[in-house]
Amino acid sequence: AQSVTQLGSHVSVSEGALVLLRCNYSSSVPPYLFWYVQYPNQGLQLLLKYTTGATLVKGINGFEAEFKKSETSFHLTKPSAHMSDAAEYFCAVSDQTGNQFYFGTGTSLTVIP
Amino acid sequence: DVKVTQSSRYLVKRTGEKVFLECVQDMDHENMFWYRQDPGLGLRLIYFSYDVKMKEKGDIPEGYSVSREKKERFSLILESASTNQTSMYLCASSSIWSGGEQYFGPGTRLTVT
Repeated sequence: AQSVTQLGSHVSVSEGALVLLRCNYSSSVPPYLFWYVQYPNQGLQLLLKYTTGATLVKGINGFEAEFKKSETSFHLTKPSAHMSDAAEYFCAVSDQTGNQFYFGTGTSLTVIP
Repeated sequence: DVKVTQSSRYLVKRTGEKVFLECVQDMDHENMFWYRQDPGLGLRLIYFSYDVKMKEKGDIPEGYSVSREKKERFSLILESASTNQTSMYLCASSSIWSGGEQYFGPGTRLTVT
């Protein structure tokens, strides 16, 4: 079975500072990887995904993530945090069919003015 | 755009009531999922379905059942609601051809009193 670990359930950054949210996975085969964002009282929205090809993936709202197979990591970054980035972020891993889909426990991002 | 809708955003029920949560997707997706989300626990899979009339138990199926009579509709049933089922319920769908990406509804916040 696959698993996803998000380091840090709460992360605080200053407005304009780098955002780094960490995600590690365990998988015996190359997985598909995702980051989702959830704003208060809403469903999850896809930020970006990695399936195959280029390991640096760009998503919406200026976020990007890099798939590092040797480190089994898929960390999410954004060069400059905005107040509107305050939300819950979930990393997820899937097999190719989507039938086996696993979420991390989430990281709550706070942006300090 | 893919749209996943849930029948209610907020629901208040009494202990012992039978509760139906409905989810409809409009993109002909094969897979549909029900999660519950609780603070500090992330998303936990209750049930999923990969085809009409097919269902598979997730991590926490106890106290729940599901129904999928049509491809676009996936219902979650709480046979006898209890206070420990107070939670946010999220429905999602995915296609087996889209690398597992899940599309989420807005969620139903259920309170059982």
